[in-house]
Amino acid sequence: DVKVTQSSRYLVKRTGEKVFLECVQDMDHENMFWYRQDPGLGLRLIYFSYDVKMKEKGDIPEGYSVSREKKERFSLILESASTNQTSMYLCATLGVLASSYNEQFFGPGTRLTVL
Amino acid sequence: GENVEQHPSTLSVQEGDSAVIKCTYSDSASNYFPWYKQELGKRPQLIIDIRSNVGEKKDQRIAVTLNKTAKHFSLHITETQPEDSAVYFCAASRGGGADGLTFGKGTHLIIQP
Repeated sequence: DVKVTQSSRYLVKRTGEKVFLECVQDMDHENMFWYRQDPGLGLRLIYFSYDVKMKEKGDIPEGYSVSREKKERFSLILESASTNQTSMYLCATLGVLASSYNEQFFGPGTRLTVL
Repeated sequence: GENVEQHPSTLSVQEGDSAVIKCTYSDSASNYFPWYKQELGKRPQLIIDIRSNVGEKKDQRIAVTLNKTAKHFSLHITETQPEDSAVYFCAASRGGGADGLTFGKGTHLIIQP
């Protein structure tokens, strides 16, 4: 089974703080993704990475950055958290086996509240 | 970029009846269309997907149809059961999902007993 874990289930931060959300996968997958999920808006792609040290902007990258120093770990960084970044953040990885080709495997999510 | 519209936002059906959720996409280069199911408090999970070279795909009680000309695709669930209650998301991608997915806003499916 593919295992995608995220460092925290719930996080409360203050406006202006630097926030790190971490995601780890155990399947040696190359592609990893960060989405945010908001009620009524679905999931929106923030950033993705297809290899170590490689990153690509998604649809809503403003206010975020990412880091991928090791293949299994993909971090989302909020440089200066703002209240409009209060959301559920979901990490995902892309299946490569024939049985799960193209399938995105999601982590459990981190519910971030910025006060 | 890609834009995916999904309707309806809420769908209530009697147990045993069929449910249909529809999506349209804007980017004619999109070639991969998955559907994800998210139960309350859980992570999204893939239930079925279709590629642009196929018009229909079926897996037991669920099926997906794709009309490339009209740029729309639909999810069909037959003989609905209580465990089908969830939020369903359609999505589209150019590169088979390797460059991420553009999701619709979701449909809350309610199965009435």
